[in-house]
Amino acid sequence: GQQVMQIPQYQHVQEGEDFTTYCNSSTTLSNIQWYKQRPGGHPVFLIQLVKSGEVKKQKRLTFQFGEAKKNSSLHITATQTTDVGTYFCAGSPNDYKLSFGAGTTVTVRA
Amino acid sequence: DAGVIQSPRHEVTEMGQEVTLRCKPISGHDYLFWYRQTMMRGLELLIYFNNNVPIDDSGMPEDRFSAKMPNASFSTLKIQPSEPRDSAVYFCASRPAGGTYEQYFGPGTRLTVT
Repeated sequence: GQQVMQIPQYQHVQEGEDFTTYCNSSTTLSNIQWYKQRPGGHPVFLIQLVKSGEVKKQKRLTFQFGEAKKNSSLHITATQTTDVGTYFCAGSPNDYKLSFGAGTTVTVRA
Repeated sequence: DAGVIQSPRHEVTEMGQEVTLRCKPISGHDYLFWYRQTMMRGLELLIYFNNNVPIDDSGMPEDRFSAKMPNASFSTLKIQPSEPRDSAVYFCASRPAGGTYEQYFGPGTRLTVT
């Protein structure tokens, strides 16, 4: 079945620094979504990418979808303490069923 | 809108007991998903419904697990009999038929089986 791999598993970042988390699928995806889960909370939708090579920005967050629609990345600039949490990518081959990556858990050193 | 509602928020039960988790999706959403989250296995899709009909239950771990959606505003996930390895956070999520494919998650039920 479809597998979505995500690296790194943990990211310890100094406040103000940038970091990137990567997502790779074993199969071509129809779309990829990114979610954020705060400690003790539930996943909250951030964004969806559909087109090959698509790039979307949300303030300090930049999301990319690969040309082959099998990989994606999330880049955060100038990390803040509010960025703490686990970031999940979730891929779908058919627009209905999502396969979640293992997530990247981000901690921030002030 | 109140969002996706789940109950109970916490459940502690003894091995062998029946457990029923409940979910009320967002009104007007046609899809409902049940997920399980553990440290070891991450976030796993158990089953999803479209217009109250189960579409894919391939993620249901075994026959001890069953899910129903008797109407558009209510779904249950039942574990009978429960085992310690079922301890996890169970999330319900819903999404509308059109628009983006964003899923709206409920707050989850933290299940502990002793």
